[in-house]
Amino acid sequence: DAGITQSPRHKVTETGTPVTLRCHQTENHRYMYWYRQDPGHGLRLIHYSYGVKDTDKGEVSDGYSVSRSKTEDFLLTLESATSSQTSVYFCAISESMVLAGGPNEQFFGPGTRLTVL
Amino acid sequence: EDKVVQSPLSLVVHEGDTVTLNCSYEVTNFRSLLWYKQEKKAPTFLFMLTSSGIEKKSGRLSSILDKKELSSILNITATQTGDSAIYLCAVINAGNMLTFGGGTRLMVKP
Repeated sequence: DAGITQSPRHKVTETGTPVTLRCHQTENHRYMYWYRQDPGHGLRLIHYSYGVKDTDKGEVSDGYSVSRSKTEDFLLTLESATSSQTSVYFCAISESMVLAGGPNEQFFGPGTRLTVL
Repeated sequence: EDKVVQSPLSLVVHEGDTVTLNCSYEVTNFRSLLWYKQEKKAPTFLFMLTSSGIEKKSGRLSSILDKKELSSILNITATQTGDSAIYLCAVINAGNMLTFGGGTRLMVKP
């Protein structure tokens, strides 16, 4: 398995509180992605990164921000959590740009289950 | 807005059966189609398809893209209980946006 971990694995928080999810990789892959997965919606891309300090928005970026200060870490922040952000969050990594049809695989982390009360 | 629809939503078969999962899409400036298998938690990559009519194969799994019909199929032959999972289809457009379908839940009974 690719060396990709997410923390925390489970979190329960209250509406209006800030939340930061961390994705850590040991593969030295250039590209990192954050998705959320909800019943009936499949996986939806929130943000992605194509290098240190280089990030871009995905399909459902409103209410989320990201940062990547080191190759190995990609942080997802909910500035003020809302109940609609209750979801399972997956981080993924790839060596080449999957979004551009690159040939390399995209490896997923184990996921973080976030509940916003 | 790009759209990916997978069918059936769920499927129950017995070991040894052959299954065909479908993925259809409406995408502005299609680039590639991806298949994933999701067991327990994290999805794992299966195939990436870019060209129409070229079959990709990995063991008992194979997949093919039909750009004319805007669809792809994933075939699994001689199914095993370990094939039980959610199978996800995703498409990438020229704007680098990735859109996933809702998945097909496959259960293989012994």
